[in-house]
Amino acid sequence: KAGVTQTPRYLIKTRGQQVTLSCSPISGHRSVSWYQQTPGQGLQFLFEYFSETQRNKGNFPGRFSGRQFSNSRSEMNVSTLELGDSALYLCASSRDITSGANVLTFGAGSRLTVL
Amino acid sequence: TQLLEQSPQFLSIQEGENLTVYCNSSSVFSSLQWYRQEPGEGPVLLVTVVTGGEVKKLKRLTFQFGDARKDSSLHITAAQPGDTGLYLCAGSTRNTGKLIFGQGTTLQVKP
Repeated sequence: KAGVTQTPRYLIKTRGQQVTLSCSPISGHRSVSWYQQTPGQGLQFLFEYFSETQRNKGNFPGRFSGRQFSNSRSEMNVSTLELGDSALYLCASSRDITSGANVLTFGAGSRLTVL
Repeated sequence: TQLLEQSPQFLSIQEGENLTVYCNSSSVFSSLQWYRQEPGEGPVLLVTVVTGGEVKKLKRLTFQFGDARKDSSLHITAAQPGDTGLYLCAGSTRNTGKLIFGQGTTLQVKP
């Protein structure tokens, strides 16, 4: 089955611009999470969506936002870009189970460079 | 704030050597996962451990979850160049998509 698809894979923006990243989860997966990965901070949790509702949120400023559509596809948006927003943005999907451990499947990421 | 500390941060070894990566926290996790990430790709799940004291083996890789569910280790026997990559531990306290990741261990195995 198809994996988690993220688009675009690479993009370059300038400070002050805004960017929208897209994530298509594995078919049947209803939970989508977003993470920011940088060399200095590692993987940091941004937010999680389940059934079109934000279920968890990390410690990022309001410039970072997201949404999930009825088909479980998700987008995240970063407004007023800053140099420090340069990072690999990873999306992960999961089936969402009620017991045991939830297994995340990650996409290949969208690498954002802010100049 | 929940934190996961991984050590060492970098490891460069020769093919055939053994190694252990540690993941420690002061918090209790309901489950702990290990991922491997290669350049240009997202992390790929290696294993999930959920029971304190649990040991899982995946070919040459052995994973252990501490009795108190606060720490974990990854041991690789007879490392091969194909094991090269970034190893990440991640803890979860609930069955959601929110994982707390360690900083990662970059492993280089030289032929």
